[in-house]
Amino acid sequence: DAGITQSPRHKVTETGTPVTLRCHQTENHRYMYWYRQDPGHGLRLIHYSYGVKDTDKGEVSDGYSVSRSKTEDFLLTLESATSSQTSVYFCATFGLQGSEAFFGQGTRLTVV
Amino acid sequence: AQKITQTQPGMFVQEKEAVTLDCTYDTSDPSYGLFWYKQPSSGEMIFLIYQGSYDQQNATEGRYSLNFQKARKSANLVISASQLGDSAMYFCAMREGGGNKLVFGAGTILRVKS
Repeated sequence: DAGITQSPRHKVTETGTPVTLRCHQTENHRYMYWYRQDPGHGLRLIHYSYGVKDTDKGEVSDGYSVSRSKTEDFLLTLESATSSQTSVYFCATFGLQGSEAFFGQGTRLTVV
Repeated sequence: AQKITQTQPGMFVQEKEAVTLDCTYDTSDPSYGLFWYKQPSSGEMIFLIYQGSYDQQNATEGRYSLNFQKARKSANLVISASQLGDSAMYFCAMREGGGNKLVFGAGTILRVKS
């Protein structure tokens, strides 16, 4: 199994607080992605990274920021959490010549 | 912009029968990859099958095959001899060769009946 680890796995936070989710990989994959999964919407891309310090926005990036200071870690930050950001968040990685994206276990975030 | 469409929110199939899950895509990049993932109720994402845009033959992996029709921009997943354990959400995804994004469709829930 690919070494993709998300932390925390579950989190409950209050509206207006900052939250950071971490994705850690041991595969030395170049590409990393953050998605949110909501009923009826599938997986929607929030942000992605194509190298250290190289990131770009996905389709639902408002209210989220990311950072990638080293290959193995990709952080997703909710600057000021809102109830609409209650969701399951998945991290995925993709190798340079890969034909498969590897997923973390997911993080269930509840904003109350 | 790349786009993936799965038009079937839910499907039912009888155990041991074959089922086709639809996926259409839109891209102007001649180089791209198409993926199918399974998500059971436990929530993990399981890779099923991959098709490259330049692959001459349809991809197959055990009971899974991808019916790739390039001119129609469709990449349907065919599951043969359905099993109860195939009940899950199925996602189609695409990654353009000239870009870095990996985008997913909305998914299809498959229920296998005994």
